[in-house]
Amino acid sequence: EVQLVESGGGLVQPGRSLRLSCAASGFTFDDYAMHWVRQVPGKGLEWVAGITWNSVKIDYADSVKGRFIISRDNAKNSLFLHMNSLRSEDTALYYCAKSDNWNFVGGSIDNWGQGTLVTVSS
Amino acid sequence: DIQMTQSPSSVSASVGDRVTITCRASQGVSSWLVWYQQKPGKAPKVLIHSASSLQSGVPSRFSGSGSGTDFTLTISSLQPEDFATYYCQQANSSPLTFGGGTKVEIK
Repeated sequence: EVQLVESGGGLVQPGRSLRLSCAASGFTFDDYAMHWVRQVPGKGLEWVAGITWNSVKIDYADSVKGRFIISRDNAKNSLFLHMNSLRSEDTALYYCAKSDNWNFVGGSIDNWGQGTLVTVSS
Repeated sequence: DIQMTQSPSSVSASVGDRVTITCRASQGVSSWLVWYQQKPGKAPKVLIHSASSLQSGVPSRFSGSGSGTDFTLTISSLQPEDFATYYCQQANSSPLTFGGGTKVEIK
């Protein structure tokens, strides 16, 4: 069974940084691309970032480009999101999610974690 | 970036009704279109991938159609467990983008 468990969320002041982690199990982690997707409570879904199986290809939503960094450690079956210069509009539930293939385009997001809540407020 | 527009934003329906949700892309996405279902407090779940392919384990009352810019999700006979919010998402190019969602409510 695929399991994706996020951690690292919490309350942080505007302008500060936070690192989210995702521990993956139940599948061959380095065969698949991974994503971060966020959702403001009560609102819609927003794709944040994607990374291919070998980290060669990475991309971000315009809203976070230059501030967030996605990375992965295939040896530890882990995905990360380094969030810098946080803003109030970054407040959301952040999901770690698995692609159904090696790339983060050309497929679907077939497994999701339960999310970790990030609140940016002074 | 490709904009995804869903309609309606909400629909009230009864058990047994046929429900149709549409999704329009601002530019062609071929068949790289995914439909998700999300229930309150839960993560999204894939229903349809590649515009019309039913995800394993998803009931056959769900179907998808379309290609290019116009897509449809149909629930042929609404069941109590289908009351949820539905999202489309284009997977043709990065950045990936989602529609705004359609909430299916009990009439």
